[in-house]
Amino acid sequence: GQQLNQSPQSMFIQEGEDVSMNCTSSSIFNTWLWYKQEPGEGPVLLIALYKAGELTSNGRLTAQFGITRKDSFLNISASIPSDVGIYFCAGEPSGAGSYQLTFGKGTKLSVIP
Amino acid sequence: EAQVTQNPRYLITVTGKKLTVTCSQNMNHEYMSWYRQDPGLGLRQIYYSMNVEVTDKGDVPEGYKVSRKEKRNFPLILESPSPNQTSLYFCASRPGTRGYNEQFFGPGTRLTVL
Repeated sequence: GQQLNQSPQSMFIQEGEDVSMNCTSSSIFNTWLWYKQEPGEGPVLLIALYKAGELTSNGRLTAQFGITRKDSFLNISASIPSDVGIYFCAGEPSGAGSYQLTFGKGTKLSVIP
Repeated sequence: EAQVTQNPRYLITVTGKKLTVTCSQNMNHEYMSWYRQDPGLGLRQIYYSMNVEVTDKGDVPEGYKVSRKEKRNFPLILESPSPNQTSLYFCASRPGTRGYNEQFFGPGTRLTVL
């Protein structure tokens, strides 16, 4: 199946800094989902986006559904040590009968206290 | 509490010994799926089910079986496990209708096949 291009693959940042990561695709998506996964645990849904141009926040996290419907961005403001983990994007491709999600390979975030 | 549960969380077995990993969701979701996660390869879908008695192959179905006899349960079966099936497995569920379709994951099952 298709994979989304997620970047960067990893990030090392200082506590308090802002973080930005993104996912891009050559195909159009109807839905974008952002997850966080901590070691040994399942991915936890952070933000869901359903309309092109939509901007949604969840605490210090903000995500946007790209206007072209081929990309999405996740920003974390004022990072803290507990933000450490792997962040995944997932998208539901446009097209009749398509219910399957396509996943990015993740951005591994490390926060230096 | 709305959740997806998996059992066992950890399993060490030997080549060829049949095993089943159970998955259950309490959200009345129609769509369920199984993924495996391996370093550098991300999440890869093994099988999915769009409703009771409706299952289909994902990207990496070889060596796995599933069944969906009830809406809430979606077990993953390895008839004859091999070492290359050592991985972290996740069950997931979604409402199944287009539109507002958030997917929720279970806590994972770490499988080691010796």
